[in-house]
Amino acid sequence: DTGVSQDPRHKITKRGQNVTFRCDPISEHNRLYWYRQTLGQGPEFLTYFQNEAQLEKSRLLSDRFSAERPKGSFSTLEIQRTEQGDSAMYLCASSFSGTSGEQYFGPGTRLTVT
Amino acid sequence: AQTVTQSQPEMSVQEAETVTLSCTYDTSESDYYLFWYKQPPSRQMILVIRQEAYKQQNATENRFSVNFQKAAKSFSLKISDSQLGDAAMYFCAYTGTASKLTFGTGTRLQVTL
Repeated sequence: DTGVSQDPRHKITKRGQNVTFRCDPISEHNRLYWYRQTLGQGPEFLTYFQNEAQLEKSRLLSDRFSAERPKGSFSTLEIQRTEQGDSAMYLCASSFSGTSGEQYFGPGTRLTVT
Repeated sequence: AQTVTQSQPEMSVQEAETVTLSCTYDTSESDYYLFWYKQPPSRQMILVIRQEAYKQQNATENRFSVNFQKAAKSFSLKISDSQLGDAAMYFCAYTGTASKLTFGTGTRLQVTL
């Protein structure tokens, strides 16, 4: 098992551009989560999927953000019209719904908006 | 809404000594799980230890153990025989009926020779 992977690891973009991140969960995990972490803070929940269904979205997830998990495997997080305030580490995690809630994290994608 | 509070932004411990990191939480749920995660510099978040709220026995994983006080809503992490590799940010996290994790703001642990 290779663990949770995320791509790209770093992304620098100009304000107003669109960006898309990918997350590949641990293969047997049916739940996939996205979090955002800014410098010196703990991760904040954005959204999560169980299989292909998006079950919860945070109020942090403005309408410029969209996430998909089309076949219940990998997921993408898109940010449209990026703003400087979107600069953060975007973390993906996965878990199996039958377990006690422990989530396993990927290395994250660090987004810098200039 | 659930909240998690870590009141120690930074802690320092000498190698081979013991250190305790504090965490308190607030919830109205009766069934939940608590976690400690470790985030080394520029590296990914690693699960250190897990505690089920319904279990009275404190969880232990090798040099890591917790002191879970359910009535006080306190969940501290004790690291024994500290090693240089323990230096990292440590996050306390909560999950209940909602699947998401709620994290504290973290404690940066320094390990000195």
